[in-house]
Amino acid sequence: DAGVIQSPRHEVTEMGQEVTLRCKPISGHDYLFWYRQTMMRGLELLIYFNNNVPIDDSGMPEDRFSAKMPNASFSTLKIQPSEPRDSAVYFCASSFTGYNEQFFGPGTRLTVL
Amino acid sequence: EDQVTQSPEALRLQEGESSSLNCSYTVSGLRGLFWYRQDPGKGPEFLFTLYSAGEEKEKERLKATLTKKESFLHITAPKPEDSATYLCAVQGTSYGKLTFGQGTILTVHP
Repeated sequence: DAGVIQSPRHEVTEMGQEVTLRCKPISGHDYLFWYRQTMMRGLELLIYFNNNVPIDDSGMPEDRFSAKMPNASFSTLKIQPSEPRDSAVYFCASSFTGYNEQFFGPGTRLTVL
Repeated sequence: EDQVTQSPEALRLQEGESSSLNCSYTVSGLRGLFWYRQDPGKGPEFLFTLYSAGEEKEKERLKATLTKKESFLHITAPKPEDSATYLCAVQGTSYGKLTFGQGTILTVHP
């Protein structure tokens, strides 16, 4: 298996622009997680899905953030409008069940100018 | 609220110098404690899962142990390629949710 795939790997945008991050989980994994990593706050869970349904979005910082999972092999995290404080590395992870280890993708490094 | 504290923040070792990393946690109903390794510019890579106090797991030069309040990652005779950030995470009763510590940056000098 190719592992979790994320795109783009790097994104540089200007404040106010819309940003869309993409993720393809490992085939057969029923859980998909979106994390954000910064030096100050470490690795934080934003939202997770089970069988394409959002289960817990309590980590989503504000209404500017939204996530979707239209099918078992694709998810998006959208920020609209983007702000400089959104600059971080965003990781997608997937797992077989909610209590198994999670496998992480390579991340998307987002810079908002 | 689940909490994880890792120490030290950074650790510098000479090749072959064994040491341990600490992960202290507070969680309501531990379902699992996870160790990950993260190299610069990459995503965390899964190492171990521990489920109950007294459990131990080993992989090459790494050995993870678990008590009711903390976990240790022991590194025996480390090599420069063991240099990375080591992350600890706990899963409590919140299904699916992992709470991560800030990590320990390990540097092994040849």
